[in-house]
Amino acid sequence: DIQMTQSPSSLSASVGDRITITCRASRSISNYLNWYQQKPGKAPKLLIHATSSLQSGVPSRFSGSGSGTDFTLTISSLQPEDFATYYCQQSYSTPPWTFGQGTKVEIK
Amino acid sequence: EVQLVESGGGLVQPGGSLRLSCAASGFTVSSNYMTWVRQGPGKGLEWVSVIYSSGSTYYADSVKGRFTISRDTSKKTVYLQMNSLRVEDMAVYYCARIGVSPDAFDIWGQGTMVTVSS
Repeated sequence: DIQMTQSPSSLSASVGDRITITCRASRSISNYLNWYQQKPGKAPKLLIHATSSLQSGVPSRFSGSGSGTDFTLTISSLQPEDFATYYCQQSYSTPPWTFGQGTKVEIK
Repeated sequence: EVQLVESGGGLVQPGGSLRLSCAASGFTVSSNYMTWVRQGPGKGLEWVSVIYSSGSTYYADSVKGRFTISRDTSKKTVYLQMNSLRVEDMAVYYCARIGVSPDAFDIWGQGTMVTVSS
């Protein structure tokens, strides 16, 4: 199975900050990388699929990049509603689909 | 409106069984890949099972032989039959549609809690 590793596990940031979350795959997954946002007590929400394609309705301050084994999720200007936990997921070698361990974005 | 609604969670003793349901609206379950994902208390997301539009099914190693995924097209519902439940199966269980390339989970239900305790 492909292992996904996110960093950092958590970060503190202020409204308006630019933040970047990194996701690394244990082997190449081409661009088969998806990002989800989860708020406490809620279901995950798809943000980005295929590394950089924004899901319908997701604000343009979210962006994704990368290929092969290294990927990033960037929020260009953090908004109050963006404080949440973010997960990467590989869909290259499935089943199983595998997720990163999550990155919790907290208010500084 | 496209949505998924799970039900069937609850408290069960170790070794017991439970059947989760996931009712879909706004789309056809048999035309899509449908999947279950779980999240243990304070933990991350773990993929559990998938049923393809062809009817083929697959499971995570942690549940293989104990869980069964199925669907009822007429009821637009996907099921997860969980047998021989263990304490480590305790989690919120989400169903999701695999509806956007490349096999990303684009529609999620609200989740249903399964508690395994004596």
